[in-house]
Amino acid sequence: KQEVTQIPAALSVPEGENLVLNCSFTDSAIYNLQWFRQDPGKGLTSLLLIQSSQREQTSGRLNASLDKSSGRSTLYIAASQPGDSATYLCAVWGAAGNKLTFGGGTRVLVKP
Amino acid sequence: KAGVTQTPRYLIKTRGQQVTLSCSPISGHRSVSWYQQTPGQGLQFLFEYFSETQRNKGNFPGRFSGRQFSNSRSEMNVSTLELGDSALYLCASREDTPYEQYFGPGTRLTVT
Repeated sequence: KQEVTQIPAALSVPEGENLVLNCSFTDSAIYNLQWFRQDPGKGLTSLLLIQSSQREQTSGRLNASLDKSSGRSTLYIAASQPGDSATYLCAVWGAAGNKLTFGGGTRVLVKP
Repeated sequence: KAGVTQTPRYLIKTRGQQVTLSCSPISGHRSVSWYQQTPGQGLQFLFEYFSETQRNKGNFPGRFSGRQFSNSRSEMNVSTLELGDSALYLCASREDTPYEQYFGPGTRLTVT
């Protein structure tokens, strides 16, 4: 059974600092890994999708890496801003079923 | 393209009642998945429909059911509501590949 873990559960940084969010998964047989952002009480916004054959994906200030063999992904957010405050979730699409398995999320607060 | 839409956005129901939630996927997407999000359990997969057929089902009791119509719109029904069914219910749609999921804003269900 796939399990996805995100550590830390919460993170507080001053504005301008780079953010590093970690995600680990137990079964390396995945099709892809997706990072999402969720604002309080809202739905999920897709940030980046990394296919299993890729090592990283970039979009603006965001960069996500994937090491499938070790079951790890890292989301980097450069030069954080207060508007980056949200919960960030990673999820893997496993080869075994048609569903996403989510981590518990990292709640980020960027202080002005 | 318009995003995933969900109606209603908020619902308050009494224990023992039943409820139906609706989801309209992004145009052209034939896959619709449903997820339940609670503070204690996080995001959990309910089921996925593709071309009106249920392709995968999560570990939820039979009180949770769904269906998909020929226009890909989907409904989720919960019968005999329990207090523990209070949650944010999220719908997601995708093309068959590359599996990138797009989420709607969710329906906040409160059971009293």
